[in-house]
Amino acid sequence: SAVISQKPSRDICQRGTSLTIQCQVDSQVTMMFWYRQQPGQSLTLIATANQGSEATYESGFVIDKFPISRPNLTFSTLTVSNMSPEDSSIYLCSVTGQEYGYTFGSGTRLTVV
Amino acid sequence: TQLLEQSPQFLSIQEGENLTVYCNSSSVFSSLQWYRQEPGEGPVLLVTVVTGGEVKKLKRLTFQFGDARKDSSLHITAAQPGDTGLYLCAGVTQGGKLIFGQGTELSVKP
Repeated sequence: SAVISQKPSRDICQRGTSLTIQCQVDSQVTMMFWYRQQPGQSLTLIATANQGSEATYESGFVIDKFPISRPNLTFSTLTVSNMSPEDSSIYLCSVTGQEYGYTFGSGTRLTVV
Repeated sequence: TQLLEQSPQFLSIQEGENLTVYCNSSSVFSSLQWYRQEPGEGPVLLVTVVTGGEVKKLKRLTFQFGDARKDSSLHITAAQPGDTGLYLCAGVTQGGKLIFGQGTELSVKP
């Protein structure tokens, strides 16, 4: 399977600020996704990160709040903008491709105070 | 909207007991996956079931995919404390996205 490095692993941020999360993969991957997970709960898909074009967002998530970049086939970033305490969550990137199944990063635990 | 209903959400059992987790949907998925997640880590894929009626075994874990490809179950035989964790089912859509169930928090006490 692919190996994913996700940074930072955790952060505590002030409300109103923004945090950018990075996802680096050790090989070129077809598809990259970003998920949100409340502690102890399931995962909700935020968006599909498309290489060279705008991300595709799921219902309830918008680009102004969660801008995503994917400059190449091995790297993507998710920014959580203008944070509020309700944004406190775990954010995970995931990749998939024909050579391997779905692989997840270890997540970024975000606390907004 | 495709949804997956997973039950039970919490399960606390004694070592050696058997258990079953269910995952149901009104929609058909191209395949269905089961994951296990431990605190501080991302979900780890256990199995993918693709064919209606398919049964897969992974040591003490047995996975079934319903004939209509709308439901699935995970059965653990003789549970061990090391089986403790969050179990997630996920339906794979035509576009390759994962739709997750609510998860089952399993605690196996020695």
